[in-house]
Amino acid sequence: QKEVEQNSGPLSVPEGAIASLNCTYSDRGSQSFFWYRQYSGKSPELIMFIYSNGDKEDGRFTAQLNKASQYVSLLIRDSQPSDSATYLCAVKKAAGNKLTFGGGTRVLVKP
Amino acid sequence: KAGVTQTPRYLIKTRGQQVTLSCSPISGHRSVSWYQQTPGQGLQFLFEYFSETQRNKGNFPGRFSGRQFSNSRSEMNVSTLELGDSALYLCASSWGPRAGDQETQYFGPGTRLLVL
Repeated sequence: QKEVEQNSGPLSVPEGAIASLNCTYSDRGSQSFFWYRQYSGKSPELIMFIYSNGDKEDGRFTAQLNKASQYVSLLIRDSQPSDSATYLCAVKKAAGNKLTFGGGTRVLVKP
Repeated sequence: KAGVTQTPRYLIKTRGQQVTLSCSPISGHRSVSWYQQTPGQGLQFLFEYFSETQRNKGNFPGRFSGRQFSNSRSEMNVSTLELGDSALYLCASSWGPRAGDQETQYFGPGTRLLVL
């Protein structure tokens, strides 16, 4: 079992709809959780992070964390064609800066 | 504020050679982490340096090594290159002193290495 798991997709959503991405992790010692967006041929770009149970909103993005169920999700509201990318979930333990990544979910937003 | 810079951006080497990649973190950031990204294995952590000391290490063979200088710039070296070392090598910087929950890492553009 991989430490961080994501559905590889592609997740196809119509423009203006909500894209819902899920990520599960196996290590209960994980303390903070990150979502990165990666366009093809580019490096990962930080979207947001969350470390407390519940929801955290930033613009069109909402991250949700449930430590008891060991999952974190990302909602993208009013999806735009420019949101088409691979979304990477990463987790980190309290000590150190090692990020463990999931395989990523490819999102396609169709006009 | 300038972002993370990495040099070179592209590199072609042959098996058995060695390679050195360079990373300059965001100004004021003292932690530098290195990651390898391949289509098969995804993004994997190599190691992290803070204040010229290796603070964390991933599960890579000893052929992969790194160092950090007093100005926080970091280099990573891969010796005796293998075909499987072909990858995008990413450097990420963060502020670093506490390496706690709220430390966020910002990635550079990466160095794409092709081993022939």
